[in-house]
Amino acid sequence: EDQVTQSPEALRLQEGESSSLNCSYTVSGLRGLFWYRQDPGKGPEFLFTLYSAGEEKEKERLKATLTKKESFLHITAPKPEDSATYLCAVLGGGSEKLVFGKGTKLTVNP
Amino acid sequence: EAQVTQNPRYLITVTGKKLTVTCSQNMNHEYMSWYRQDPGLGLRQIYYSMNVEVTDKGDVPEGYKVSRKEKRNFPLILESPSPNQTSLYFCASSLWGNQPQHFGDGTRLSIL
Repeated sequence: EDQVTQSPEALRLQEGESSSLNCSYTVSGLRGLFWYRQDPGKGPEFLFTLYSAGEEKEKERLKATLTKKESFLHITAPKPEDSATYLCAVLGGGSEKLVFGKGTKLTVNP
Repeated sequence: EAQVTQNPRYLITVTGKKLTVTCSQNMNHEYMSWYRQDPGLGLRQIYYSMNVEVTDKGDVPEGYKVSRKEKRNFPLILESPSPNQTSLYFCASSLWGNQPQHFGDGTRLSIL
């Protein structure tokens, strides 16, 4: 069974203090790893897709990386508007089911 | 504007009264899916559909039904709702199963 574990559950940063969020996964035949951002009361918003180990994607202050067992979402010099819950999800080779982790709630204080 | 539209956004109802949450997408996507989100449990997939007339169970399908008669619509049906189905529900769609999903704004369902 595909599984996704995100850590930490919650993270508080000062504005400008860089850090990383972790997504560990077990899946048979990874077909895609997805990062989403979710603001309170809203649906998840797509950030990145990674398909193979070694792949990296960047967007503004965010950079996602992928190994065979985990993915990291690096946040460089975060701003208060980066505060949100970040979700990781995997799609395995066994089915078309997308499995989500429980998320990391990020708070960036000014 | 590309979007996934869910209705209603909020609903309070009683145990046993059948209800339907509608979902519509305007992006000509093949894949559609329903999730529920509960505190401490995260997003869990209820049902998904790869194409018209093709549906399959996700991780928590009990107590739910779906249908996909048209490409753009994927309604979620609760035949006999119970309090443990009180949750925040999201519909999503993507071009194919391995592509990023676009989510609706959610339906907050309370069953008394």
